[in-house]
Amino acid sequence: NAGVTQTPKFRILKIGQSMTLQCTQDMNHNYMYWYRQDPGMGLKLIYYSVGAGITDKGEVPNGYNVSRSTTEDFPLRLELAAPSQTSVYFCASTRGGKETQYFGPGTRLLVL
Amino acid sequence: RKEVEQDPGPFNVPEGATVAFNCTYSNSASQSFFWYRQDCRKEPKLLMSVYSSGNEDGRFTAQLNRASQYISLLIRDSKLSDSATYLCAVIPRYQLIWGAGTKLIIKP
Repeated sequence: NAGVTQTPKFRILKIGQSMTLQCTQDMNHNYMYWYRQDPGMGLKLIYYSVGAGITDKGEVPNGYNVSRSTTEDFPLRLELAAPSQTSVYFCASTRGGKETQYFGPGTRLLVL
Repeated sequence: RKEVEQDPGPFNVPEGATVAFNCTYSNSASQSFFWYRQDCRKEPKLLMSVYSSGNEDGRFTAQLNRASQYISLLIRDSKLSDSATYLCAVIPRYQLIWGAGTKLIIKP
C-alpha cells in the first residue's frame, strides 16, 4: 500500500516553461488536494477535488490547472512558470472531506 | 485576522521539559481539529485529532476550548526526536485551514 505518491521529487524550470506534477493515491479516497508551502509558511490550498470529474479552486489557484479523470490521479499543471511559483508542492487525499489528510512526499520546484 | 493562528516560534526547550502550543481559530462553527507534525523538508503527518473532551496519546495531550476558540498541544518529557514543526489544522466549513506552524527545537 503506497499511499500517496508524487513525481517528480525535484524539478528546476525556466521562466515560461510548463510542467505537470503527478499525484496518485491507492487508498480509494474521494477527496484530493494540492497545496503549496513556501519556506517558513503554512500550507496554502491551490485546488481540490471531491471526486472524479469534479474540481474546484482553493485559496491560490492562479497559474495552475488540475484535472481528475480517475479516482486515483490528480495531476497539477503549471503553465508559463514564474519565479513566484518556486515552492514545495504537496498532494493529499482523504476519504471524507472532514477526515485526516494523508500527504505525498512533496515536489520541490525551483523556477529560475 | 487570520482564520487559524499559531504561537510564533521557534520554541527552544531543554530535553525533558514540558512545552505547550496554542492555536486559535476565528470561525466558531469549526467542527474538526487536528495537530500535524512536519519534519524538515518532509510532508506533514497526523499527530493527533483533537476531540471535545480532550485526548491523550502517550506524552502528548490535545485540548479544545470552544468558548475561547483555541486548541492546545502539550508535550511532556520532551525528547530530542520531538524537534519538528507542529501545524494545527481546523475545518471551519468544508476545507482544512492550516496554521503557519510552530517550530520546536529540543536541546540536549
